[in-house]
Amino acid sequence: AQSVTQLDSQVPVFEEAPVELRCNYSSSVSVYLFWYVQYPNQGLQLLLKYLSGSTLVESINGFEAEFNKSQTSFHLRKPSVHISDTAEYFCAVRSSGNTPLVFGKGTRLSVIA
Amino acid sequence: EAGVTQSPTHLIKTRGQQATLRCSPISGHTSVYWYQQALGLGLQFLLWYDEGEERNRGNFPPRFSGRQFPNYSSELNVNALELEDSALYLCASSQGHREGGYTFGSGTRLTVV
Repeated sequence: AQSVTQLDSQVPVFEEAPVELRCNYSSSVSVYLFWYVQYPNQGLQLLLKYLSGSTLVESINGFEAEFNKSQTSFHLRKPSVHISDTAEYFCAVRSSGNTPLVFGKGTRLSVIA
Repeated sequence: EAGVTQSPTHLIKTRGQQATLRCSPISGHTSVYWYQQALGLGLQFLLWYDEGEERNRGNFPPRFSGRQFPNYSSELNVNALELEDSALYLCASSQGHREGGYTFGSGTRLTVV
């Protein structure tokens, strides 16, 4: 079965500094990869996804993630964070076929002024 | 367009009682997914319904059950509630089970006392 490992449970970072949230998944022939964000007391919002094609995917608010098949990773990066980026971030993976999304345990990003 | 709606927002039950949680998917979405988000455990997959049928089930005991109605709305039933069932229950929907991600509701916070 698929599994997702988010290596850091908490990441504190100063405002305007760069950040990387790490995500590794168990190997599979073909996978679809996602990052979701959860703000306090809210549900999950899709941040970005990799389905096929270019291995670098971007979101509208400056985040990007790169699919690395050889390292089975899908790390999330942002060159300069804002206070408003403070949230919990979840990496998720799905294999082709009748399998649901499998989530990592989340990384809490805290941006410090 | 209305998003995924869940009701109630909060639910308090005593141990041994039954809880019923409801979910209305986005119009046109036929697949509904239920996840449990307990503190420190990330999102655990519970159930997946599509076109009225249960397609997949996570590693939860049979007292967790549900159904999907002809209008694609869904309910999750938890029988014989235990204290450890206290969690945020998230419902998500998708347009069929394609490679895209899911759209999540804001969740039902279930507290068992």
